[in-house]
Amino acid sequence: GQSLEQPSEVTAVEGAIVQINCTYQTSGFYGLSWYQQHDGGAPTFLSYNALDGLEETGRFSSFLSRSDSYGYLLLQELQMKDSASYFCAVGYNNNDMRFGAGTRLTVKP
Amino acid sequence: DVKVTQSSRYLVKRTGEKVFLECVQDMDHENMFWYRQDPGLGLRLIYFSYDVKMKEKGDIPEGYSVSREKKERFSLILESASTNQTSMYLCASSPTRQGNQPQHFGDGTRLSIL
Repeated sequence: GQSLEQPSEVTAVEGAIVQINCTYQTSGFYGLSWYQQHDGGAPTFLSYNALDGLEETGRFSSFLSRSDSYGYLLLQELQMKDSASYFCAVGYNNNDMRFGAGTRLTVKP
Repeated sequence: DVKVTQSSRYLVKRTGEKVFLECVQDMDHENMFWYRQDPGLGLRLIYFSYDVKMKEKGDIPEGYSVSREKKERFSLILESASTNQTSMYLCASSPTRQGNQPQHFGDGTRLSIL
């Protein structure tokens, strides 16, 4: 089957850097995406990696290692508004996508 | 911006009822998806569709069916609602048939089955 693992909770302070890891076991892997969801809101797309390496988008970066079936989301200069749930998601070459259970990030003053 | 609209934000139905959840997207996207979201379980894929009248089962299709008669509309049907189908239901769309395209989500429908 296809499964993704990510930590259930992470806590950090404002201004810090936090890394949220995601490991996956799958075949037909096409790429790894990250989504953010605030309480009561819809998930919103953050980043996507199809190839190994680091993708940077402002304060957020995402990394993928296909050989290790591993990726992470890196959040820098944390702000209170970054408190949310973060989901990794694996896309497959048959068009569908699978999400992890989510990591709840709490940013403290 | 892409707009994915779900017909109801909150819905209360009774056990055994046939329930329809509607989703419309306005960007001519090919792919549409239905997920349910439960605490600690994340988003679980129920069904998806990559073309009109086409559908594919996700991880948890049992007790659900879908309909895609028009490209912009993807309906989720609970044939005979049960209490274990109480959940948040999220619809999403993505542009093309490739599985890596960013998905755009609706605001969700919180469904309670009594």
